[in-house]
Amino acid sequence: EPEVTQTPSHQVTQMGQEVILRCVPISNHLYFYWYRQILGQKVEFLVSFYNNEISEKSEIFDDQFSVERPDGSNFTLKIRSTKLEDSAMYFCASAYPGELFFGEGSRLTVL
Amino acid sequence: AQSVTQLGSHVSVSEGALVLLRCNYSSSVPPYLFWYVQYPNQGLQLLLKYTSAATLVKGINGFEAEFKKSETSFHLTKPSAHMSDAAEYFCAVTEGGGKLIFGQGTELSVKP
Repeated sequence: EPEVTQTPSHQVTQMGQEVILRCVPISNHLYFYWYRQILGQKVEFLVSFYNNEISEKSEIFDDQFSVERPDGSNFTLKIRSTKLEDSAMYFCASAYPGELFFGEGSRLTVL
Repeated sequence: AQSVTQLGSHVSVSEGALVLLRCNYSSSVPPYLFWYVQYPNQGLQLLLKYTSAATLVKGINGFEAEFKKSETSFHLTKPSAHMSDAAEYFCAVTEGGGKLIFGQGTELSVKP
C-alpha cells in the first residue's frame, strides 16, 4: 500500500542551526502539507503546497520556514535558524486531492 | 472559519464499556469530518471520515461516528472498549477537502 515516508524520524539540533525535514509523498498525489504537533498539544497546520507553490500558510509559518519540492518526489521543510519552541513532531501529508495521508512524523528536538 | 472542539481532554473507560468521544465543529459550508487516532510515538491514522454521504459512518477497529448537522456534532463511539484502543484521538474538519483543522485531542485510557 502506498504511504508517505518521512526522514529523519528523530533529529536533535542546537538552537540556531538549520534543519531540513524530508518527506516522500505518495507518487500520484498533487497536494502536500506540513503539520506540527508540539508535545501534548494539538496538530497544527503549517503550510500547503500545490503546483510548485505555497497555496496556504498559517501564522506559524514565518520567514524561518520554507518548503520546496526540488526533484518532483521529495517535499522538504526547512527551518533556517531553529528556536527552542520549534521542538515538535512534524508531520507531512499528501492528497490526490481528497483524503490526506500522513507520514509517521519527524521528531525535532532543539537544545 | 472552521474550528473543532473536542470535549474532554482525557476520557477513561473500563474494558468492555462504551467509548464516547465528543466532537463539535464550526463550518460555514458543509464540512468533511474526520477522526484520527495516534498511538504513542506514532503518526496519525485515519479511523473514519464523513464526506456528505451517509450520516452514520463506520470506521476501522469497530469505531463509528454520526454526523448530526442540527447539533454540529460528529461524536465517535465504540460499543465495547478494548485495551488496545488506548490512544489519542483527534477530530478534524475541512471544507471541501484540503487543509485539515484539528481539535485539541482526547486521550482515551482503558482500564482492565
